[in-house]
Amino acid sequence: QKEVEQNSGPLSVPEGAIASLNCTYSDRGSQSFFWYRQYSGKSPELIMFIYSNGDKEDGRFTAQLNKASQYVSLLIRDSQPSDSATYLCAVEGYGGSQGNLIFGKGTKLSVKP
Amino acid sequence: DADVTQTPRNRITKTGKRIMLECSQTKGHDRMYWYRQDPGLGLRLIYYSFDVKDINKGEISDGYSVSRQAQAKFSLSLESAIPNQTALYFCATSELDRGDTGELFFGEGSRLTVL
Repeated sequence: QKEVEQNSGPLSVPEGAIASLNCTYSDRGSQSFFWYRQYSGKSPELIMFIYSNGDKEDGRFTAQLNKASQYVSLLIRDSQPSDSATYLCAVEGYGGSQGNLIFGKGTKLSVKP
Repeated sequence: DADVTQTPRNRITKTGKRIMLECSQTKGHDRMYWYRQDPGLGLRLIYYSFDVKDINKGEISDGYSVSRQAQAKFSLSLESAIPNQTALYFCATSELDRGDTGELFFGEGSRLTVL
């Protein structure tokens, strides 16, 4: 069973701080990794995707991937109350599951003013 | 208008009833998916379809069936609804051709309550 693990939280950070969200995955052959943000009662929306080892930055968001450790993370700099949401890590399956995204259970982030 | 449209958005039904959730998309994507979301359990894949003639079971297909009527339409049916099928259901699309990211584009969700 392919798995994607996330700390469910809640993760609470003060406004302006860095929020660090972590994810591990079991399928060593996975090549594509995604971070989605989901506000309560709404549909998930893509924040970042990353394919290569290392860091990928987009505005206040940085995704980090380490395939050897099967670990992907999302850093949110200068956190804002509007960043309060559940963050879902998703990993594309490998082989027969290629093209399917396997989701973690999500980490709930709360940014306190 | 939304690129991925789900109907109904909310539905309350009784145990044993047949329910259909419909999904249509204007993105021109070949791949369509049905997920369910329960509190604390994340998104779990029910069924997926990579083209009109391709239907595949996901992680939790028992109790569900699907129909891919056209490239743009993918319906999910609960033949005899039971209370533990109460959940938020999402339809999603994707494309995996060269140049596409493989990201999922979600509909707004259909909240189903089975009494």
